[in-house]
Amino acid sequence: KAGVTQTPRYLIKTRGQQVTLSCSPISGHRSVSWYQQTPGQGLQFLFEYFSETQRNKGNFPGRFSGRQFSNSRSEMNVSTLELGDSALYLCASRTGTSSTDTQYFGPGTRLTVL
Amino acid sequence: AQSVTQLGSHVSVSEGALVLLRCNYSSSVPPYLFWYVQYPNQGLQLLLKYTSAATLVKGINGFEAEFKKSETSFHLTKPSAHMSDAAEYFCAVTHRGGGNKLTFGTGTQLKVEL
Repeated sequence: KAGVTQTPRYLIKTRGQQVTLSCSPISGHRSVSWYQQTPGQGLQFLFEYFSETQRNKGNFPGRFSGRQFSNSRSEMNVSTLELGDSALYLCASRTGTSSTDTQYFGPGTRLTVL
Repeated sequence: AQSVTQLGSHVSVSEGALVLLRCNYSSSVPPYLFWYVQYPNQGLQLLLKYTSAATLVKGINGFEAEFKKSETSFHLTKPSAHMSDAAEYFCAVTHRGGGNKLTFGTGTQLKVEL
């Protein structure tokens, strides 16, 4: 079974621009989450989607948004990019919504904001 | 609120020696605890998880961890380190109903020397 895929793997943007990152979960997985990883703040939860509905959201400004499609694929969008948004963005998928279910992570998208 | 503290941002061991990575948690409700490993330029891979069943949990690659409620700890161990174990290790916590929202520790970089 193919793992979680994220595109693109690397991205360079300038301040003020917006960016869209894509995540394709493992086949059959209906739950997708996004995390931001930076050297200073570590791994932080962004949001979680299940069946096209946002179920949980972390403490990030409204510039960070996401959505999930009927095929469970998910996108996250960051508008008006700031230098501090430079990070590795990780997507994770799992079958359902139980907290005990294993989350499977993708390789991430490394975003650099200049 | 939940939190995780990983003591020691860098740990160095000799090949064949015991690996001990420390994780202490704080949670007002029964926790679910996870250990993930991250290799360079890759996503996170689950090593093992505690979900309120057996307190001694065995994972992949010879790792195991013991949940100790009295010490609020979930330390990761491996009897004999291998060069391929060099990576960054993250402890994470959630709880029943916590969904996909994992709270991660700051990580421990493990170095294995000949």
